[in-house]
Amino acid sequence: DVKVTQSSRYLVKRTGEKVFLECVQDMDHENMFWYRQDPGLGLRLIYFSYDVKMKEKGDIPEGYSVSREKKERFSLILESASTNQTSMYLCASSLQGYNEQFFGPGTRLTVL
Amino acid sequence: SQQGEEDPQALSIQEGENATMNCSYKTSINNLQWYRQNSGRGLVHLILIRSNEREKHSGRLRVTLDTSKKSSSLLITASRAADTASYFCATAPDSGNTPLVFGKGTRLSVIA
Repeated sequence: DVKVTQSSRYLVKRTGEKVFLECVQDMDHENMFWYRQDPGLGLRLIYFSYDVKMKEKGDIPEGYSVSREKKERFSLILESASTNQTSMYLCASSLQGYNEQFFGPGTRLTVL
Repeated sequence: SQQGEEDPQALSIQEGENATMNCSYKTSINNLQWYRQNSGRGLVHLILIRSNEREKHSGRLRVTLDTSKKSSSLLITASRAADTASYFCATAPDSGNTPLVFGKGTRLSVIA
């Protein structure tokens, strides 16, 4: 069974903290993606990566950075968390950019 | 940038009825995909239809694609309470290895 796992289902952090969200896939996929999902706004792409050490900005990269040191792992970093980053964060992977994406279960992040 | 727009935003039907959701998009595509999301979970891929296909079936799902109208529909026949979820269309742009673009989703409620 193909699998995308995320490090936490629920996370509570304080404003100003540095936050790491980790995503691991076991399908040897080239592409990995980070989205945030907010009510009424659907999925918005934060960053994606086509290969190890490669990263591309999505639609809303401000306030976030990413790291992809190994093919199977894609990390999302909030350098200084703010309350407007409270959201559901979804990681996904795919073989090619236009192929079906496999999603992790999501991390619900609350920033107080 | 979100390209797909689902219609309606919310749909409530009785168990056993058919549910139809529509998706419109703006630019040329390589393929169009439908995903399902149960509350608080990640998205699950349902079906992919390529730009040169007009109709595709998978179990109780039927997807149509009209590239001249830049629209697609997802039909779920004989709906069940377990079909209650949000449904998203995602378009794969017809331009290289670029990420999928997701719509905001249709919230389907199937009442037993």
